[in-house]
Amino acid sequence: QKEVEQDPGPLSVPEGAIVSLNCTYSNSAFQYFMWYRQYSRKGPELLMYTYSSGNKEDGRFTAQVDKSSKYISLFIRDSQPSDSATYLCAMTAGGTSYGKLTFGQGTILTVHP
Amino acid sequence: DGGITQSPKYLFRKEGQNVTLSCEQNLNHDAMYWYRQDPGQGLRLIYYSQIVNDFQKGDIAEGYSVSREKKESFPLTVTSAQKNPTAFYLCASSSGQYARDFGAGTRLSVL
Repeated sequence: QKEVEQDPGPLSVPEGAIVSLNCTYSNSAFQYFMWYRQYSRKGPELLMYTYSSGNKEDGRFTAQVDKSSKYISLFIRDSQPSDSATYLCAMTAGGTSYGKLTFGQGTILTVHP
Repeated sequence: DGGITQSPKYLFRKEGQNVTLSCEQNLNHDAMYWYRQDPGQGLRLIYYSQIVNDFQKGDIAEGYSVSREKKESFPLTVTSAQKNPTAFYLCASSSGQYARDFGAGTRLSVL
């Protein structure tokens, strides 16, 4: 079993839809959680970073963390064709696990006009 | 503009050959990382370095080697011992505890 499982698989939505991306994890030591966006043939870019359980909002993006359920989510409101990309969740325990991010396998999102 | 430069963009390796991927950053970050990305598997950590002249193995270091002689540079060598090198290689850097800024990647293929 992988430490981080990401779902859904490839996702296609109409412009304006609300998108929900999710990751579950098994390692209770994970304390820091990130979401990256990766356009085709490019490097990932950091979208959101969260530490505590709860919600964090940035424009159309909301990151949600539930440490008790070992579950994180990214919501995209009013999705746009420019949001079409692969979204990767990542997490780390920090401390002596310095720099060791564990990534989910990614969700390919397509937003069609 | 500050950023991370990876070169080359595409690289082809012949069997038995060692190849080196370049990574340079001008962000003045102390930490640098190398990740490998395969389809459907996310990113996996190969090596990382927190300071000059020091580096640690990640989860999949076998068949790879690195050096960190300068703060700005963290080259990755894919040796002939790496039997399945075809992948997208990403270099990253940070001043904190996680890889924040990524380069544009090098796509390595086997001839």
